Amino acid sequence: GQSLEQPSEVTAVEGAIVQINCTYQTSGFYGLSWYQQHDGGAPTFLSYNGLDGLEETGRFSSFLSRSDSYGYLLLQELQMKDSASYFCAVISGSARQLTFGSGTQLTVLP
Amino acid sequence: NAGVMQNPRHLVRRRGQEARLRCSPMKGHSHVYWYRQLPEEGLKFMVYLQKENIIDESGMPKERFSAEFPKEGPSILRIQQVVRGDSAAYFCASSQTNYEQYFGPGTRLTVT
Repeated sequence: GQSLEQPSEVTAVEGAIVQINCTYQTSGFYGLSWYQQHDGGAPTFLSYNGLDGLEETGRFSSFLSRSDSYGYLLLQELQMKDSASYFCAVISGSARQLTFGSGTQLTVLP
Repeated sequence: NAGVMQNPRHLVRRRGQEARLRCSPMKGHSHVYWYRQLPEEGLKFMVYLQKENIIDESGMPKERFSAEFPKEGPSILRIQQVVRGDSAAYFCASSQTNYEQYFGPGTRLTVT
């Protein structure tokens, strides 16, 4: 089966940089995605890594190391609105199924 | 371009009743996924469908739960004889690429 581990909570201040790590165990690995979810809201897609390396999208970057079964999401210039839950998700199997981690609750303090 | 639509947004059912949740994917998307989320937890995959086909239902409970995505109309997740443990948020997502899924606003099911 698949398993993912990410920290349950992270706290940082406005303007800071925060890194949320994700380690995974899976068979048939295809790629790693990151999603953001505000309380009561729908998850929204942030980024995808199919190959090793860094993907940058504005203030957010995501990294993948397939050999280490490890990835991270980097959030720069934190804003209050970034307070949310962040989920890593492994895409695997012939059906390219998404398996989500339990989520990291990010709290941004003024 | 409308996003993924789900209805109803909130659904209250008594134990033993049927719950029917609907999902209309984004225009042009042929892949539909259903997830369940309990409070303070991550999303759990339930089923992956394409038009008229169930591709992967490995996350679906074996009894009482079924899903379809007909040629015409929305995808439907049906829960028969609901129990209190079925209370959760049910999210639908659609995709063209598998790795980038667009989620609907969810249906909050409460079983009383």
